[in-house]
Amino acid sequence: ETGVTQSPTHLIKTRGQQVTLRCSSQSGHNTVSWYQQALGQGPQFIFQYYREEENGRGNFPPRFSGLQFPNYSSELNVNALELDDSALYLCASSSRDIGSEQYFGPGTRLTVT
Amino acid sequence: SQKIEQNSEALNIQEGKTATLTCNYTNYSPAYLQWYRQDPGRGPVFLLLIRENEKEKRKERLKVTFDTTLKQSLFHITASQPADSATYLCAPLNQAGTALIFGKGTTLSVSS
Repeated sequence: ETGVTQSPTHLIKTRGQQVTLRCSSQSGHNTVSWYQQALGQGPQFIFQYYREEENGRGNFPPRFSGLQFPNYSSELNVNALELDDSALYLCASSSRDIGSEQYFGPGTRLTVT
Repeated sequence: SQKIEQNSEALNIQEGKTATLTCNYTNYSPAYLQWYRQDPGRGPVFLLLIRENEKEKRKERLKVTFDTTLKQSLFHITASQPADSATYLCAPLNQAGTALIFGKGTTLSVSS
């Protein structure tokens, strides 16, 4: 088990609603990345935070936003939920070194109905 | 657009044999490539990183190769065990060290 935790484990929301997912990073890691993993697919990069600043973003619309706090924990917010947002949301913490190992949390399973 | 293909969705082998998984990428020139293992209902677990200037990397029973000409990485598990049964994901990284997208994965089943 990694030291990365995510909450909640499962979530059911209705189309159009907003959701906030939370992640606490592994001790000593200052970088957090968020990924979306649809069923049967590999994870897709949403964005990365380093020392509370967004440090790279994948091909996701602005209704996906995030925050990183001084203790390096992080939030992913999704507004105006769509059915296609149903997926497993993973956060991963790492050091800043390029190519460094990412430690993934267990994920939050979001279902949008 | 960038495309990552892992050879097959499922691979079944007998205990003790070598499993070989393939990761091909197009429209992409990764500087690094990582391999992860994912068990059902869990997040991926990092296994190995290989850099573009490295041909081969080993860790215990695992071996990874990286051929930038063929745009392909091979992942080998020697002396496979039932406990190796899982989905294996490849993740090419760009120059900034970011994995923008992972492969869909190959699900390996090792029977005793």
